[in-house]
Formats: sequence, C-alpha cells, structure tokens
Amino acid sequence: DVKVTQSSRYLVKRTGEKVFLECVQDMDHENMFWYRQDPGLGLRLIYFSYDVKMKEKGDIPEGYSVSREKKERFSLILESASTNQTSMYLCASSSWGRGGYTFGSGTRLTVV
Amino acid sequence: DAKTTQPTSMDCAEGRAANLPCNHSTISGNEYVYWYRQIHSQGPQYIIHGLKNNETNEMASLIITEDRKSSTLILPHATLRDTAVYYCIVGYGQNFVFGPGTRLSVLP
Repeated sequence: DVKVTQSSRYLVKRTGEKVFLECVQDMDHENMFWYRQDPGLGLRLIYFSYDVKMKEKGDIPEGYSVSREKKERFSLILESASTNQTSMYLCASSSWGRGGYTFGSGTRLTVV
Repeated sequence: DAKTTQPTSMDCAEGRAANLPCNHSTISGNEYVYWYRQIHSQGPQYIIHGLKNNETNEMASLIITEDRKSSTLILPHATLRDTAVYYCIVGYGQNFVFGPGTRLSVLP
C-alpha cells in the first residue's frame, strides 16, 4: 500500500524552538506539499515542491521554510516556533498526470 | 479562494444514497473535478476524480453535468463510517485549494 508518512503524530514544542516536521513518500511522486489545517480556516498551503531542491511558496509561508534534498522526503521547518503555529500539519504528494494528492495522517503540533 | 461552492452540511440515513452537490461554474476546459473526504483527525482521503464523463469506482460515483459547471458525488449505500467532511476541488492536480467542504453526517 502506497504511503505518505509523517514522522510524528503529536508534537509539543516550546516557543522559540526550531522544529522539523518530516514527510516521506514511497510512490516516487515528483510533487510534495505542506498544508496546515485550523478550525474555521480549512487547509492552507504553506509550501510545495515540484522537484528535488525546488521549493515554492504557498499562501502562508511566513515563519516556515522547507527542504527537499531527496525526492522522497520533504521537510517543513519552523525556524522559531510561536504559539500561533499550533496547528495540524498535513503533508501530501502527487505525480504529474496521475490523479490527485495522497495525504499523510498529519502531525498535530502544539507550541507552548 | 476555493473555486467551488458546497453546502455546509448534510444528513443522510444509513443505507441510503448520499448525494453531495458541488458548483464549479468557473471551471476551465482542462481542469478536473476531484473529491476528497476527511474523517476527524485524519488526513484527507482521495475518493474520485473526473474531467467530463461520469466516473465510478469502489467508493463512489461522480456525475458531472454536460456544461461541467456542477457535479454530484454519490455514495450509493452510506454507512456510519462515511461520516466525514467532503471536499470538492477543481484543478489540474496540483496546488489544490480546499474550501470548507460539506460535513456529511450519516445517521443510524
């Protein structure tokens, strides 16, 4: 069964910490995405990548960065975590011309 | 902004067909219609997608109007496990914009 795996299901971090959220897919997909989901705001795109070492800003990139050194792995980095980054983070991948996204199970991050 | 409009919520009796509508009047010629659902605290799950023709798979059927300005997702025999938020999205398969979706409650 193909998968998008997010490294942590739940995470608690302190304000100011540097936080890494990891996402790995085993489908050889070219495209990978990071969303956050908040009540009443739905899913919002943070960053995406169409290829290794490529990254593009989504709708809400402020306070985040990403890294894609290998095709299968897409990392989301919170340089200095803040309480307003408490959220559910969802990673997804897709392949050109072959349907839509496959999502991971999500990481619920709490910044205290 | 999402390019689709869906009802906020719907109820369906268990065992009956659930018909979830979606309006996408500004869809362009090459954009597909995708449906996803999200069960509480899980990542969204792909259901089905289509371009012009009606589509069916093991989960659902997708009916797209001839002018492609609206579509309906049909769950033929809804179960309690189909209770979820259902998202209708149009696009080329990348950079999806998720609207608020339809919260479907399947009632016993």
